Amino acid sequence: GQQVMQIPQYQHVQEGEDFTTYCNSSTTLSNIQWYKQRPGGHPVFLIQLVKSGEVKKQKRLTFQFGEAKKNSSLHITATQTTDVGTYFCAGQGYKLSFGAGTTVTVRA
Amino acid sequence: DSGVTQTPKHLITATGQRVTLRCSPRSGDLSVYWYQQSLDQGLQFLIQYYNGEERAKGNILERFSAQQFPDLHSELNLSSLELGDSALYFCASSVGQGQNSPLHFGNGTRLTVT
Repeated sequence: GQQVMQIPQYQHVQEGEDFTTYCNSSTTLSNIQWYKQRPGGHPVFLIQLVKSGEVKKQKRLTFQFGEAKKNSSLHITATQTTDVGTYFCAGQGYKLSFGAGTTVTVRA
Repeated sequence: DSGVTQTPKHLITATGQRVTLRCSPRSGDLSVYWYQQSLDQGLQFLIQYYNGEERAKGNILERFSAQQFPDLHSELNLSSLELGDSALYFCASSVGQGQNSPLHFGNGTRLTVT
């Protein structure tokens, strides 16, 4: 069945550093969505990628969809304390499957 | 504010009991989804309704059931509750049936079973 794997599970980052979280699907996806959940909050939609090889940026966040539409990445530059939270990818195949999330903590 | 309303915010009940969680989707959204999130766990998809009809089913236990009413609000019924059912239950809504439709999540209902 369709599965979406996300790594790493935890990311401890020094403020100001960059990091990347990766998402891999067992099947080809029609699109991939990214969500952010702040501690104690609910998931909030960030972005959707649809095209093969698509790259989208939101300020310090760069989202990429793989050429084969089976993987995606989220790269954050110059991490800030406001980036704390859990980032989920969700792959749309025959159903929308969420990855387990990458929980980000930031050292000031 | 996502526009998705969930009630109650907190629920504390005993094992063996039955509870009902309520969700009102964003105005104009026809799909409602239910997710379960246990402590430090990801989002486990339970069930989806589109315009009153069941659209997709995930890892929903037989003790759990849901429905979407004509006014598009949805209820998730949890019965014969067990300690392991303690979790955060999210409702989400989207405009379409799922393809290319981002989800908008409510604030969740935190269920504690004692």
